[in-house]
Amino acid sequence: KAGVTQTPRYLIKTRGQQVTLSCSPISGHRSVSWYQQTPGQGLQFLFEYFSETQRNKGNFPGRFSGRQFSNSRSEMNVSTLELGDSALYLCASSLDGARGQPQHFGDGTRLSIL
Amino acid sequence: GDSVTQMEGPVTLSEEAFLTINCTYTATGYPSLFWYVQYPGEGLQLLLKATKADDKGSNKGFEATYRKETTSFHLEKGSVQVSDSAVYFCALSDAAGGTSYGKLTFGQGTILTVHP
Repeated sequence: KAGVTQTPRYLIKTRGQQVTLSCSPISGHRSVSWYQQTPGQGLQFLFEYFSETQRNKGNFPGRFSGRQFSNSRSEMNVSTLELGDSALYLCASSLDGARGQPQHFGDGTRLSIL
Repeated sequence: GDSVTQMEGPVTLSEEAFLTINCTYTATGYPSLFWYVQYPGEGLQLLLKATKADDKGSNKGFEATYRKETTSFHLEKGSVQVSDSAVYFCALSDAAGGTSYGKLTFGQGTILTVHP
């Protein structure tokens, strides 16, 4: 069974640009969550999608957005990039996002802002 | 809100030494608890989990017991190997309904280095 796939693995952007990251969940998983990982803040929850609807959202500015398609694939968009957005962005999938279900993570997209 | 606190790292051990990484949590509901491991350049892998009090999760020689009375979920391994060198994260998933869907709250991570 294929795991969670994130593309691209690496991105370099400049301040003010926007970026879109992609995540394909494990087949049959309908919940997709996104996290930001930085050395200073650790792992922080961005948002979760299920059946094309955002059900949960962390404390990030509106520049961070996402969507989910009917095949459960998800994209995350960051607009007006800032230096502080440099991070590893991780996508995770689970069957339906309920408590107790383990999340399965991709290898992440490393975003560097110049 | 929910929070997870892990012992300060980094932790450096010799091969075959005993490992303990402490984890305590604060949650509004009745959480499920997890340990994840991250190897360099990779995402997180689930190591073990426990969903109710006194449950013991175990995998690859690692163990952790859900202690509700002390709000703890300490990770242990009797004999570590060089290949166990990685970053270990304790995490919780709360049962507080809609605001918890798909959300894991993580500790800050503990870097483990095992020397031959």
